[in-house]
Parts: sequence; structure tokens; C-alpha cells
Amino acid sequence: DGGITQSPKYLFRKEGQNVTLSCEQNLNHDAMYWYRQDPGQGLRLIYYSQIVNDFQKGDIAEGYSVSREKKESFPLTVTSAQKNPTAFYLCASSIGQETDTQYFGPGTRLTVL
Amino acid sequence: AQKVTQAQTEISVVEKEDVTLDCVYETRDTTYYLFWYKQPPSGELVFLIRRNSFDEQNEISGRYSWNFQKSTSSFNFTITASQVVDSAVYFCALSEATLGTSGTYKYIFGTGTRLKVLA
Repeated sequence: DGGITQSPKYLFRKEGQNVTLSCEQNLNHDAMYWYRQDPGQGLRLIYYSQIVNDFQKGDIAEGYSVSREKKESFPLTVTSAQKNPTAFYLCASSIGQETDTQYFGPGTRLTVL
Repeated sequence: AQKVTQAQTEISVVEKEDVTLDCVYETRDTTYYLFWYKQPPSGELVFLIRRNSFDEQNEISGRYSWNFQKSTSSFNFTITASQVVDSAVYFCALSEATLGTSGTYKYIFGTGTRLKVLA
């Protein structure tokens, strides 16, 4: 089955620790995205990548970092510099251009204790 | 500025009722795309529809229908004969086909409407 996987589903970390969220897709999509969702709010773009070895900051990139070494993978690291990291994180991918339909993974709920 | 407004925060209906979710958008571009997504309790966003700005035809897919009106900048979503499985948060989104001020495309989501369908 083609799709997007994110792991883990739930993640707990102590304050001050970096944590990496996994996102893998087997749709052969060029573009991948990371969004953050807070209760009662829409999705906000953290980072996106339109091609391997290249990525761009979104609207709320501070405190986050990404890499895109393989087409299938786009991991997100939440660093200790992120002031309010507790949130629901969604990964998405699209064929190419950002106006293409984005397809989403199941999400990772990160809780920082 | 690009913006998507979903004024209805939460709607509750009884099963089999029809319900309409409103979406109003703002854009300066003539070419843009509108989307609806469903987010069930599991959390994953499920794609429902994509519509470009040049296609104002209404669309029907089973119990779902969409009414796109450029004159009022609205892209409303109607569920006919609602079912408990329709309970979810529904997001409307807008993407412009031109570069934004930061040199990137913009894909903006509304804040979502939580639909509760009661048995």
C-alpha cells in the first residue's frame, strides 16, 4: 500500500532534550512538508522540501531542523530551542508543486514534560 | 493577504440531517486552488476535494457536495443525510499559484470546523 508513515504515534520527552520525528513516504512524491497543529488552530507550516538535499523554512521554523537525504524520508528534529514543543505534528507529501494536493501521514503527538 | 475563514467552530446535528460547513477565503490572485480535508479522531487528514479557481461547477460525490462561488469568495461543503462516521474536524485550505512575498508558495488552512453527528 502506498502512503505516508510517521513514527512514533505518541512521543514523550523531557524539557531540554532534542527529539526526532520520522516521516517516510512510498508515493514517489518529490515534495514533503511538516506542519504543526495546536488545539483549536489550523495547520502551520514548519519546513518543506521540494527536492532531495534542499529544504525551505515555513512560517514557524524557529526551534526546528530537518534533513532530506533521501526522496522517501523527511525527518523533523524538535530542538531544545523550541519554546512550546508540545503539539501534534503532521507530515505531508505532494507530487511536486505546492499547489498540488498534499497527502498526510497519521501524525505524531509530542508531549514535553 | 491570503486568508481562510471557517467561522463555525463547532456544529452538532442529529443523524440524517443535512449540514453545511462554511469556508470563506481571501486572495489577490486570479489563479488559486481550494481544498477540503477531513480529520477524524485518529488525527490523519484525509483529502476530500481540490478545486481550481477557473472551475466554478459545483461537485457532488455521494453524500458530499461542494458549492464554489467566486462572487462571494466561498467554498462551502454540504453533507447530506449525515452519519455518525462523519463526525470529525473539517479543514478548508487555499493555495495560490504564484510566489508569495517570501519566495514560496502558500498553502493556508482555516482553523477547522468540528462536526458532531449524534445518533
